[in-house]
Amino acid sequence: GAGVSQSPSNKVTEKGKDVELRCDPISGHTALYWYRQSLGQGLEFLIYFQGNSAPDKSGLPSDRFSAERTGGSVSTLTIQRTQQEDSAVYLCASGTGRITEAFFGQGTRLTVV
Amino acid sequence: AQSVAQPEDQVNVAEGNPLTVKCTYSVSGNPYLFWYVQYPNRGLQFLLKYITGDNLVKGSYGFEAEFNKSQTSFHLKKPSALVSDSALYFCAVRGSGGSYIPTFGRGTSLIVHP
Repeated sequence: GAGVSQSPSNKVTEKGKDVELRCDPISGHTALYWYRQSLGQGLEFLIYFQGNSAPDKSGLPSDRFSAERTGGSVSTLTIQRTQQEDSAVYLCASGTGRITEAFFGQGTRLTVV
Repeated sequence: AQSVAQPEDQVNVAEGNPLTVKCTYSVSGNPYLFWYVQYPNRGLQFLLKYITGDNLVKGSYGFEAEFNKSQTSFHLKKPSALVSDSALYFCAVRGSGGSYIPTFGRGTSLIVHP
């Protein structure tokens, strides 16, 4: 399809394990965002990639969280030593510029047990 | 820092009645404003945006929003609500004076009663 694709759609992991979440943005989109949506909460910004610029990591909640974007396309969000408070829906979005709308994937629901 | 406030956690309206979902913002520089809708277990879908020009913008599914600079508001409206409009609505802002990262409100749950 032509939309943003995220995988897996659901992930259940044990506390203390590492997880990797994948995002395939829309082809040609230079901007890529990761957000976290917790139950009853709004969207919490995590990290922003724009073209070849250094990513804005100001939203990452701890050093257990990291993300990379390879070749200006696919992005992976990694959470190390997962904690129960990491349970949330992780949303990825991509866009064409700094003032245009973002296109969201369907999210990865992460449950840490 | 930029911020968005959606003062109502939930809005209830009868089908066929007009609806309004409120949004106010704070941003450096010119505001770029967006509305998104989220259906259960889905990602966010773009509805409409204000970048510049006419203060009344029209978007998908019959929705519109009015930009009011003096009140720093961008309320979402629809003349006649449908049951299928029931969903979670998010307002977002980006500012030209600082970070271009979109800041989202907490969301407003719209419930349209038959």
